[in-house]
Amino acid sequence: GESVGLHLPTLSVQEGDNSIINCAYSNSASDYFIWYKQESGKGPQFIIDIRSNMDKRQGQRVTVLLNKTVKHLSLQIAATQPGDSAVYFCAENGNNRLAFGKGNQVVVIP
Amino acid sequence: KAGVTQTPRYLIKTRGQQVTLSCSPISGHRSVSWYQQTPGQGLQFLFEYFSETQRNKGNFPGRFSGRQFSNSRSEMNVSTLELGDSALYLCASSSPGPSYNEQFFGPGTRLTVL
Repeated sequence: GESVGLHLPTLSVQEGDNSIINCAYSNSASDYFIWYKQESGKGPQFIIDIRSNMDKRQGQRVTVLLNKTVKHLSLQIAATQPGDSAVYFCAENGNNRLAFGKGNQVVVIP
Repeated sequence: KAGVTQTPRYLIKTRGQQVTLSCSPISGHRSVSWYQQTPGQGLQFLFEYFSETQRNKGNFPGRFSGRQFSNSRSEMNVSTLELGDSALYLCASSSPGPSYNEQFFGPGTRLTVL
């Protein structure tokens, strides 16, 4: 079955620095990938997505990179702010359902 | 436009009881998915409903069931509760369409089983 996992459980980053969160996926048939942010007491919030026919997509302060060769996904956050402190999940869409990674806690140090 | 709402927000039950959780999707959204979130297993897909039909199902026992009404509101039911069912249950809705679209999550229902 498909599985999605994250390399690092916690990332501490200085305010203003860039953050990089990594994710590995196993289902080579997945055609759509999403990054979600979840703050305490809230449901996951969509950040950015990417389809399998792309290898890079940029949003506001965020960039997602997709490497299908090694089945790797990353989220880059530029100029990390205190409001970026949250748990970040990658998710893949395969078989018309989302499979989520375990999550990666990002802690921004002011 | 109002977001996805879930009721109740918090619930405490005892083992053996059953529980029903409710989800109201964003207006116009016809697909509703349910997820279970625990510290150990993360976010796991339960099932998805589209136009009152279960379109997809995760790997959960039959104690977990759901349904969707004609107004797209959805309920999920867990019977014979176990301690391990303690979790945050999240509902997500997405816009109409046969293929995958961005899902919008509600705040979740925190279920504690004692």
